[in-house]
Amino acid sequence: EAQVTQNPRYLITVTGKKLTVTCSQNMNHEYMSWYRQDPGLGLRQIYYSMNVEVTDKGDVPEGYKVSRKEKRNFPLILESPSPNQTSLYFCASSLGPRGGGASELFFGSGTQLSVL
Amino acid sequence: GNSVTQMEGPVTLSEEAFLTINCTYTATGYPSLFWYVQYPGEGLQLLLKATKADDKGSNKGFEATYRKETTSFHLEKGSVQVSDSAVYFCARTILGGGAQKLVFGQGTRLTINP
Repeated sequence: EAQVTQNPRYLITVTGKKLTVTCSQNMNHEYMSWYRQDPGLGLRQIYYSMNVEVTDKGDVPEGYKVSRKEKRNFPLILESPSPNQTSLYFCASSLGPRGGGASELFFGSGTQLSVL
Repeated sequence: GNSVTQMEGPVTLSEEAFLTINCTYTATGYPSLFWYVQYPGEGLQLLLKATKADDKGSNKGFEATYRKETTSFHLEKGSVQVSDSAVYFCARTILGGGAQKLVFGQGTRLTINP
């Protein structure tokens, strides 16, 4: 089954304790992206990756890191989490420009992060 | 800039009512337009899309028409069901530098009562 898998689904942590949210897709997609969802703000892009070893900042990259060492994986790293990073996070993937300008984004089920 | 504005929610309707959720976009470039739906506890999934002016996207009884003259992409359904209760997001593409990016509206929560 084609899917984007995120882990964990729920995470509670404390300020300053490094954490990683994993994301994996099995569709051989080139493009992967991380979004955060906050009430009243919709989804905002954190980082995206056009291919292996190619990453770039989205609209709200501060406090986050990503890496793309393999095509299927795109982990999101919070080196020193703060309470304002409490949010619902989504990983997404698509064919990217190779799929045309309207290629569908496939989303993971989300990770609810609480930073105390 | 590149933005999408959706009607404020929440929206509550009775089963079999007619649904409209308004969406307008800034007229920058020639975007593709999308509606995504988020069911409780799940990620977003594509509902329908349109890639050029006057295109109509449709799926599961929902429709939206790409109106360039009014920069709109309103979502409609003639007769809603309880199972349509979800959060709906309008989105547009931004293409540049080889990157494909989606900009989302703030989402509209829809509740359908039996």
